[in-house]
Amino acid sequence: QSALTQPASVSGSPGQSITISCTGANSDVGAYNLVSWYQQYPGKAPKLIIFEGSQRPSGVSDRFSGSKSGNTASLTISGLQAEDEADYHCCSYAGSSTYVFGTGTKVTVL
Amino acid sequence: EVQLLESGGGLVQRGGSLRLSCVVSGFTFRHYAMTWVRQAPGKGLEWVSAISGGGGSTYYANSVKGRFIISRDNSKDTLYLQMNSLRAEDTALYYCAKDGKYSDPTIPPDYWGQGTLVTVSS
Repeated sequence: QSALTQPASVSGSPGQSITISCTGANSDVGAYNLVSWYQQYPGKAPKLIIFEGSQRPSGVSDRFSGSKSGNTASLTISGLQAEDEADYHCCSYAGSSTYVFGTGTKVTVL
Repeated sequence: EVQLLESGGGLVQRGGSLRLSCVVSGFTFRHYAMTWVRQAPGKGLEWVSAISGGGGSTYYANSVKGRFIISRDNSKDTLYLQMNSLRAEDTALYYCAKDGKYSDPTIPPDYWGQGTLVTVSS
């Protein structure tokens, strides 16, 4: 049950694209296409922005996209906006009805 | 509209107990697995426990196994977390969350409550 590894921080200028990685193991990220991504503002609850690796819930901007390669899932934010400044967390199904979260990434819009 | 409302948090001494509750609305509670997730101050999210839709299967993180008990009352649309033998490292904001799609924990949560704060003093 080791946490998935995310960069502590990622930054970009408005309009740019950034990518946040989420590295796990053969037993979680690599074994299932069941990674979700959450956006969290300070003092607020996490909000789902990507599920099942690359699916967006209704109402989530198409500037957010998800992908996976091997044991690493990625979240890309294109056309970065000031409102995207937040913490981002990944979460993967880890088998046996358990989940594992990432270490979290703070996104800063320069 | 899906809503989850946690309660029961507070200040407790090390070794003490606390019971969290989460009342839900806006979806058919018994059809979905439910999860507790916690977030220590300034830290990331940590999966704590999950329970199947019928309540017959429960799952725990190693860090709380043997100390915490998850349960649910489908007649009251309420999820619980009984926390015993509390430690300083259990201090966190505890979120109740609805799992996606299935009655067994498989798809990570899609809806979250606002959380209830648990502080364990030493």
